[in-house]
Amino acid sequence: NAGVTQTPKFQVLKTGQSMTLQCAQDMNHEYMSWYRQDPGMGLRLIHYSVGAGITDQGEVPNGYNVSRSTTEDFPLRLLSAAPSQTSVYFCASSLGIIQGPGETQYFGPGTRLLVL
Amino acid sequence: AQSVTQLDSQVPVFEEAPVELRCNYSSSVSVYLFWYVQYPNQGLQLLLKYLSGSTLVKGINGFEAEFNKSQTSFHLRKPSVHISDTAEYFCAVSEDSDSGYSTLTFGKGTMLLVSP
Repeated sequence: NAGVTQTPKFQVLKTGQSMTLQCAQDMNHEYMSWYRQDPGMGLRLIHYSVGAGITDQGEVPNGYNVSRSTTEDFPLRLLSAAPSQTSVYFCASSLGIIQGPGETQYFGPGTRLLVL
Repeated sequence: AQSVTQLDSQVPVFEEAPVELRCNYSSSVSVYLFWYVQYPNQGLQLLLKYLSGSTLVKGINGFEAEFNKSQTSFHLRKPSVHISDTAEYFCAVSEDSDSGYSTLTFGKGTMLLVSP
């Protein structure tokens, strides 16, 4: 049971480039989320999904796209990278069925992204 | 809308001393409260959570937190800290929801610095 995995661990992009951050979980969790962590800002929700085929925007969705074609995978796409997207990105998942909003979220190890 | 305030961005403390990390929340409905810990260069992991029932919640590594509805607080405490407790601590809240899912809102974090 690998939990939540994220790739890559580190990435450097030039302004305007696009890329996809990968996230996968093997716990059969319904709910998955993407957060970005910036110094002094805590974690802010980018997008989330409550099941395959269902996604919604979080607090800071601009510049990012997501899709959820399977229960296991929830990739985050940067369409045209900007320096303001330099951050650490965390993917999280939760079972979401038994306790609903009280479910524990399980976090991946993060992807550090630098946009030049 | 829900929000979380962590009043201290940094808390320095000596080893074996007690510590309290403060968290206040704002919500118009019933809430679920969480404390997560992030060790250097790692993802977040759950310390403890309050769903309902007893207002004193015990978590891992000797931490505990008390839910105070009248003061809308959920302060984290440990009677005697170790060097290994040096980490960033995040308070988070989610709200009760008819849909069975609610997004998690994080505070900005408190860095606990334990020195010998």
